[in-house]
Amino acid sequence: DAGVTQSPTHLIKTRGQQVTLRCSPISGHKSVSWYQQVLGQGPQFIFQYYEKEERGRGNFPDRFSARQFPNYSSELNVNALLLGDSALYLCASSWGNLAGAFDEQYFGPGTRLTVT
Amino acid sequence: DQQVKQNSPSLSVQEGRISILNCDYTNSMFDYFLWYKKYPAEGPTFLISISSIKDKNEDGRFTVFLNKSAKHLSLHIVPSQPGDSAVYFCAGPGGGSQGNLIFGKGTKLSVKP
Repeated sequence: DAGVTQSPTHLIKTRGQQVTLRCSPISGHKSVSWYQQVLGQGPQFIFQYYEKEERGRGNFPDRFSARQFPNYSSELNVNALLLGDSALYLCASSWGNLAGAFDEQYFGPGTRLTVT
Repeated sequence: DQQVKQNSPSLSVQEGRISILNCDYTNSMFDYFLWYKKYPAEGPTFLISISSIKDKNEDGRFTVFLNKSAKHLSLHIVPSQPGDSAVYFCAGPGGGSQGNLIFGKGTKLSVKP
């Protein structure tokens, strides 16, 4: 079975540019979460989407936006890139509707974004 | 304001010995904790969890202990194997949904043959 896939693997952008990162969840999973991992830190929560609706948002500026498509894949957009946006961007998928039960998050390998 | 803290960036252990990874937290409202393992060029993978109503959870070579009064948890790996060499993250719930996790900075474990 295919796991969570992310594209591209690596990306180099210039300050001020815009970037779109893509994530395909595990088949059957309806929830996608995005995380930013800066070097030397743990992953930091950006967004969660479930059934195409935003379910949660972390402490990130409005330059960050995301959406989820009818096939449950997701895109993360970052506008007006700053040097500090250089990081590994991780996507995680889960069933998302396990009320009261543990909803394990399955992470993809990430997209390494470098802003110069 | 770090709600989940892993104060040891790295740990080196001999194969066959015990590895102990530590994690402290500040939010007493956390109702569960997770440990994730991450190999280079891969995403984090779930390892083991513990509910705040328990003080121990065991899964094979992995055991997590929770001390609520000290707001401290630890992951024990016995016996350690070279394949356990990875970065280990402690995480707690960020609130709102289970997709929102608060991670520590991680501890890089090296198990030497």
